[in-house]
Amino acid sequence: SQQGEEDPQALSIQEGENATMNCSYKTSINNLQWYRQNSGRGLVHLILIRSNEREKHSGRLRVTLDTSKKSSSLLITASRAADTASYFCATDAGNSGYSTLTFGKGTMLLVSP
Amino acid sequence: ETGVTQTPRHLVMGMTNKKSLKCEQHLGHNAMYWYKQSAKKPLELMFVYNFKEQTENNSVPSRFSPECPNSSHLFLHLHTLQPEDSALYLCASSQEAGLGNSPLHFGNGTRLTVT
Repeated sequence: SQQGEEDPQALSIQEGENATMNCSYKTSINNLQWYRQNSGRGLVHLILIRSNEREKHSGRLRVTLDTSKKSSSLLITASRAADTASYFCATDAGNSGYSTLTFGKGTMLLVSP
Repeated sequence: ETGVTQTPRHLVMGMTNKKSLKCEQHLGHNAMYWYKQSAKKPLELMFVYNFKEQTENNSVPSRFSPECPNSSHLFLHLHTLQPEDSALYLCASSQEAGLGNSPLHFGNGTRLTVT
């Protein structure tokens, strides 16, 4: 069953603006990961946030996690045309020490020059 | 380079053909995965191999047959496919399967078209 669901499905902004994407999930998680996929390519891991963390930064990326609302957000600051891609959240909800990632449908981000 | 190489990049096959997809990882990982990516659908996990042993088969039809001869190589053998099997097939690897905090490293995929 689908665990993470991204919102919005598509986002179009101008270079220099910030882009915010959200991810909601249904069951408790151990951690949540964000990935980027450029057209026709594989997914690239961006950042992992654990269930006991609330915020994490990596360069121009900022990820927040609210376990009470079962949601996460990915903020890309000062966006560039090269940030144009699809962004996916993936949740790890396994127990007993074994788990696999479940991906959402993704948010397609278009950054115009 | 992603460290995970998939061949071929594109494949067109008829419903009666037999073909194979190949994946190789150069990262020293112990787990390898096959995912199917179709338009407007979430990424679907198909198979998981951990230390060469299959640990997950996500109710995949038998017309898809995986093979993992060692921790660095993974194949997906295809036969008697249907047009709805057309999709991007992605291979991934990670340090070890079942460790949810271990990021996945993906190849660039094989775009499969079944005619």
